[in-house]
Amino acid sequence: ETGVTQTPRHLVMGMTNKKSLKCEQHLGHNAMYWYKQSAKKPLELMFVYNFKEQTENNSVPSRFSPECPNSSHLFLHLHTLQPEDSALYLCASSQDSGWTEKLFFGSGTQLSVL
Amino acid sequence: KQEVTQIPAALSVPEGENLVLNCSFTDSAIYNLQWFRQDPGKGLTSLLLIQSSQREQTSGRLNASLDKSSGRSTLYIAASQPGDSATYLCAVRVIQGAQKLVFGQGTRLTINP
Repeated sequence: ETGVTQTPRHLVMGMTNKKSLKCEQHLGHNAMYWYKQSAKKPLELMFVYNFKEQTENNSVPSRFSPECPNSSHLFLHLHTLQPEDSALYLCASSQDSGWTEKLFFGSGTQLSVL
Repeated sequence: KQEVTQIPAALSVPEGENLVLNCSFTDSAIYNLQWFRQDPGKGLTSLLLIQSSQREQTSGRLNASLDKSSGRSTLYIAASQPGDSATYLCAVRVIQGAQKLVFGQGTRLTINP
């Protein structure tokens, strides 16, 4: 158990659906991240939140909408996705967004867009 | 733009062997380098974190080294076991660009009993 919990583990959705991914960390961290892992590509940073404030959006399309209501919870709202958005979405947290901090990852949500 | 490369993409060795995984990066302006392990369909588990001022870190049978000037890191695994089978990823935290870890594509390691 890594202390970072993601739900659901698997999600299948159509291109017109709206769904949300949830991440919760039990480590007392203040920074949270969304990463995307596609087949045969390196992990890509999507968003960073530090003390509930978004500090980075890595040119992510607006069909992905993050929400961070508090330092322990992070959501990724999905709408009108494309098949190429199918991937493993990973949440991570760190003590803060300082440069020396180690990241802790959840197990991910495997998303399939039909 | 920082690029991280891991070679080989896949490696298969018999149980008990010592092995080295390689990671190279193009820009030496990094804060730190982190090695992760990923099991199929799972998230990443942090193995070792080396700050830019350090040369190596050790944890159990794992030893990671960092040569920032040459843009290289190695992960040494001693006395490999079947349970070590996983994909190993390295990532560098770049100085240019806020809070960004740049990942390699990983080395898929198989330890044969």
